[in-house]
Formats: sequence, structure tokens, C-alpha cells
Amino acid sequence: TQLLEQSPQFLSIQEGENLTVYCNSSSVFSSLQWYRQEPGEGPVLLVTVVTGGEVKKLKRLTFQFGDARKDSSLHITAAQPGDTGLYLCAGALGFGNEKLTFGTGTRLTIIP
Amino acid sequence: SAVISQKPSRDICQRGTSLTIQCQVDSQVTMMFWYRQQPGQSLTLIATANQGSEATYESGFVIDKFPISRPNLTFSTLTVSNMSPEDSSIYLCSVSQGRSANVLTFGAGSRLTVL
Repeated sequence: TQLLEQSPQFLSIQEGENLTVYCNSSSVFSSLQWYRQEPGEGPVLLVTVVTGGEVKKLKRLTFQFGDARKDSSLHITAAQPGDTGLYLCAGALGFGNEKLTFGTGTRLTIIP
Repeated sequence: SAVISQKPSRDICQRGTSLTIQCQVDSQVTMMFWYRQQPGQSLTLIATANQGSEATYESGFVIDKFPISRPNLTFSTLTVSNMSPEDSSIYLCSVSQGRSANVLTFGAGSRLTVL
């Protein structure tokens, strides 16, 4: 059973469009992170959210942690080809527990 | 953040052989982890590499198949033993450097293809 389900699994859109990726679970997480992975590389951390309802912005990327800390979303405004990659959410179940559970992943392709 | 070097970056192996992957970190870290990423899939934690003691394996992974060494705070190895085509995956080394939240830094991964 996958603890963290991401949707959509695949997304291909034109440059300049907006998109939202969702990360859902029935479990409560102490913190949740988003990573982006490009081919031939390891995942790179984009953001960490720790407070229910928290919203963080990273340039054109907006991350939100659900009020109940069970879900999160990633919204990209005016997508660019450089946004192409595999987006992974990852949750920590306990405070001080370094083990992360990764989501199922969303493969995003931005078409120039 | 830490810089992680993994070797080999990729390899093609024959069924039944074993391969050891090395992970070198440029600074001392407490927590080191090994993940597997099967083709087109997300990441699955294999084990936590503990310095000076046996690794802690996740459900579905055993020491005989994935022996791990951690001789010091900057280095670890993962061996994939008696390989079969189902072991074809990317194997990723990562370290935790977070304090208030868990933050992982990953190596570039080792892509194994088993024929």
C-alpha cells in the first residue's frame, strides 16, 4: 500500500500554462517535502512544509500543506521547459524520524 | 549541503553476479540511506546505513541480498548480490542533514542493468 498518492501520474502541457500536482494520504505527516528529479540525477529538494495550512512560494512554484497535514499541492505558474522532470512528494511520519516515505511521483513535461 | 559521489554511475551486469556501489560524502553525516528506484517508479527505502553497526533494513529487503557497510561517517557501500533482471534499477545513496525537519541530499545514483 502506497502511503502517498500523487496525481496526475503524467502531465504534458505547453509552455506558459499553469498546472497543479497533488499529493494525498490518509496518514498525518510531521513534515512534507517536494523534490524534483531530472534524468541521470538524484532528487533535489525544492521545499519543506511543516505547519498545517502553510503556503510557501519559490519563484513560480507555490506549495501548500493541508490543514490536517495529510495532503499537499504544488502549483506551477507559467510553466517553462526547465520545469520538466519527475516531481516527488515525501513525508516524515514522526518528529525526529529521519525516514521519509516518497509519493508515487508525477512526471511533468513542458513542451516549448 | 553535502556533496555525494556515487560509483559506478552505471553498469551492465550478468545474472548471478554481485556488484558493490560506493557512496562518498564530502562531510561527516550521521544518517545515510540507500534507496532503490525501479524504472519509471518512485523511491523505495532499502536500509539505513549505521556507522559501526549493522544496517537497519526495511520490510522486503534482507542483508543477504543487500549487504551494506558503513565504516565511517563519510562512506558507505551497498552490494547487490546474486543479481537477477528484477534488480535492474537506479540505486541512490542519500544523507540527512536536517534538524527541525528531515532533509535529504541524494547522490546522482547508480543505474544497474542486469541481463
